[in-house]
Amino acid sequence: SQQGEEDPQALSIQEGENATMNCSYKTSINNLQWYRQNSGRGLVHLILIRSNEREKHSGRLRVTLDTSKKSSSLLITASRAADTASYFCATADEAGGTSYGKLTFGQGTILTVHP
Amino acid sequence: SAVISQKPSRDICQRGTSLTIQCQVDSQVTMMFWYRQQPGQSLTLIATANQGSEATYESGFVIDKFPISRPNLTFSTLTVSNMSPEDSSIYLCSGGQGETQYFGPGTRLLVL
Repeated sequence: SQQGEEDPQALSIQEGENATMNCSYKTSINNLQWYRQNSGRGLVHLILIRSNEREKHSGRLRVTLDTSKKSSSLLITASRAADTASYFCATADEAGGTSYGKLTFGQGTILTVHP
Repeated sequence: SAVISQKPSRDICQRGTSLTIQCQVDSQVTMMFWYRQQPGQSLTLIATANQGSEATYESGFVIDKFPISRPNLTFSTLTVSNMSPEDSSIYLCSGGQGETQYFGPGTRLLVL
């Protein structure tokens, strides 16, 4: 079953603008990861944020995590046409259980960046 | 990080037949998983591929339909058995040593 919701379902912006995607989840987590998927191909890992972290940066990516609200956001700054893809959040359960390593994915956001 | 390859990359199959998908990792990984992505949907976990023992299946997935092997720490196969058009999906394997899971390019399956 899906962990939660992502919004928006689709986002269309111009090159140079910032893109913000949100993800909500339902259970206690060990970490939350963001992935990118181009045109139904494989997933590319973007960034991982642990449950004890609140914010993380990687290049033009900024991820926040609010465990009290069970939500995360992914910000892509100065977007480029090459950023056009589907973006998924995925949560990993708290460590130590038999489900360690398994990911539960959100519904995804389709981002289109117009040149 | 781990680099994961899958074969075949895509296939068109007739209903009632079976297809075996191979997943190869370039380094030993502790965990390997198989996911399904139905058209326009997100990813759903099928099972955990356990090295040297039977796979652990998620609710709604059974071994008779999706037999999985994992003979060593770098290789796994997923078979989609007795296929129907509803099995048309992208099948992805993932692997990782720790928290981060890396994904293969996926196998796009169309069942006629």
